[in-house]
Amino acid sequence: NAGVTQTPKFRVLKTGQSMTLLCAQDMNHEYMYWYRQDPGMGLRLIHYSVGEGTTAKGEVPDGYNVSRLKKQNFLLGLESAAPSQTSVYFCASRPRDSRAYTDTQYFGPGTRLTVL
Amino acid sequence: RKEVEQDPGPFNVPEGATVAFNCTYSNSASQSFFWYRQDCRKEPKLLMSVYSSGNEDGRFTAQLNRASQYISLLIRDSKLSDSATYLCAGALDSNYQLIWGAGTKLIIKP
Repeated sequence: NAGVTQTPKFRVLKTGQSMTLLCAQDMNHEYMYWYRQDPGMGLRLIHYSVGEGTTAKGEVPDGYNVSRLKKQNFLLGLESAAPSQTSVYFCASRPRDSRAYTDTQYFGPGTRLTVL
Repeated sequence: RKEVEQDPGPFNVPEGATVAFNCTYSNSASQSFFWYRQDCRKEPKLLMSVYSSGNEDGRFTAQLNRASQYISLLIRDSKLSDSATYLCAGALDSNYQLIWGAGTKLIIKP
């Protein structure tokens, strides 16, 4: 049981380049999330998904797109990277529960992205 | 004002001491809270959750004060391995998101 995995672990891009970050979970979780973490700012939600084929915007969605074509995968795309998108990106997943607020999120190891 | 606020620290504490830090929240509708531990350059991992007044797990105690809208984390007999950043998060039943604080950095010194 690998839990939540993220690909790649590190990446350096030039301004204007595009890339896709892959998140995969093998826990059959319904909910998945993409966060970015910058020094002193904590975790900020970019997009999230409450099930296969559905996505929603979080706190900082601009410049990013996502897709959830399969339940176990959640992709984060940067169409035209900017230096402001230099950050550590974490994916997380969570099971569905009748008491939604009791469930915790399980995180992947992160992707460190630098945009030059 | 941020929805969830934490003192960034760092808290420098000698090994074996007891340390406590708080997390305040502004949304009174928040129903449950979580303390996550994050080691340097690693992913956050759940430490404790608290839904009612409090929760205890070994050396760690989390308490929730709804009247004053804060949660606390108490670490007794601190170990060098407790050095980390502690993130607090609040959950609303009405959506699927956690609202995160920026974290408190704890350094345990020998």
